[in-house]
Amino acid sequence: DAGVTQSPTHLIKTRGQHVTLRCSPISGHKSVSWYQQVLGQGPQFIFQYYEKEERGRGNFPDRFSARQFPNYSSELNVNALLLGDSALYLCASSFGVTYNEQFFGPGTRLTVL
Amino acid sequence: AQSVTQPDIHITVSEGASLELRCNYSYGATPYLFWYVQSPGQGLQLLLKYFSGDTLVQGIKGFEAEFKRSQSSFNLRKPSVHWSDAAEYFCAGSGGTYKYIFGTGTRLKVLA
Repeated sequence: DAGVTQSPTHLIKTRGQHVTLRCSPISGHKSVSWYQQVLGQGPQFIFQYYEKEERGRGNFPDRFSARQFPNYSSELNVNALLLGDSALYLCASSFGVTYNEQFFGPGTRLTVL
Repeated sequence: AQSVTQPDIHITVSEGASLELRCNYSYGATPYLFWYVQSPGQGLQLLLKYFSGDTLVQGIKGFEAEFKRSQSSFNLRKPSVHWSDAAEYFCAGSGGTYKYIFGTGTRLKVLA
């Protein structure tokens, strides 16, 4: 079975631009979470979506937004990019919204110049 | 506040030696606990998890972890390290919800 997939693998943007990252969960999984991992740190929770609804949000500015589609795939959008947004963005999927382990994708490496 | 702490930023061991990576948690109730491994430029791979029950948990690649409530710890161990174990290891906790709280990671170096 395919695991969590993310696209693109790498992305280079300049300050002020907008970026969209995509994630496809494991087949049958209905929950998708997004994490930001800055170099040298552990992942930080950004969003969780379940059944197309936002179920939780971490301490990130409104420049960050996300959505989940009927097929349970998800997009993370970041507006007005800052240098500090440079990070590995990880998507994780799970079957339910609670009491389930999450499976992580390989991530999208975003570099903001 | 909920937190997960990994006190060791870097650990170096010789191949064949035993390994213990430390993890401490702070949660109101017993959290769900996880250990993940991340190779350079890669995503996170789950090594093992603790939800409840037996406090000694077996995982993949020969790893195990022991949950100790009295010490608020969930240390990862391996009896004999292989060169391929060199990677970064993350401990994470969850209160049973979607939101994982990760430690800052421990980078493992293995000497030949």
